[in-house]
Amino acid sequence: GEDVEQSLFLSVREGDSSVINCTYTDSSSTYLYWYKQEPGAGLQLLTYIFSNMDMKQDQRLTVLLNKKDKHLSLRIADTQTGDSAIYFCATDSWGKLQFGAGTQVVVTP
Amino acid sequence: GAVVSQHPSRVICKSGTSVKIECRSLDFQATTMFWYRQFPKQSLMLMATSNEGSKATYEQGVEKDKFLINHASLTLSTLTVTSAHPEDSSFYICSASPTLRGSSYEQYFGPGTRLTVT
Repeated sequence: GEDVEQSLFLSVREGDSSVINCTYTDSSSTYLYWYKQEPGAGLQLLTYIFSNMDMKQDQRLTVLLNKKDKHLSLRIADTQTGDSAIYFCATDSWGKLQFGAGTQVVVTP
Repeated sequence: GAVVSQHPSRVICKSGTSVKIECRSLDFQATTMFWYRQFPKQSLMLMATSNEGSKATYEQGVEKDKFLINHASLTLSTLTVTSAHPEDSSFYICSASPTLRGSSYEQYFGPGTRLTVT
């Protein structure tokens, strides 16, 4: 199977919280990342978490890491229309990023 | 800070021709640059890693003679797709790293280049 797996699609109402989940196989990853990609654009680093942490909060973003289950999640509070994009989680092994296939988040009014 | 640009943003070329894509770090020195390829609705696949002044390291399955990478300075890397074919049509994204943080690179991504080969 894939090294990094994500669900492909998430629909959320404006103002609600979004939760995007990711599972991975590479336990040696020092950092785990969340990137955002808007249509026709490159990737924007949203946040990252060090592998010895289990939670990181950054304004509307909360990252949870369950290292035992190799599960990473990104919660976006108070989701806005500008949050509509594709979100990629990625592991990092000596500088090589391994990306999931991306989760398309659609925010509806 | 940490801005990476790519040029061109879109290019259409005829089959059999070569096309060059530039990746520049605008406000930092990039010791390492990465080239990725992204297919529609799919993830990014790392093609190669380049360090300034040395030969690029290609990932398995990526043809070195087809995808020529030059990292001539600390702010510029180029990817040349030689003898392009329609199957080379894709979205090419570069990233640049100013530092090695522990075992990880801090990567900043360019906006991507859409290549269409007719």
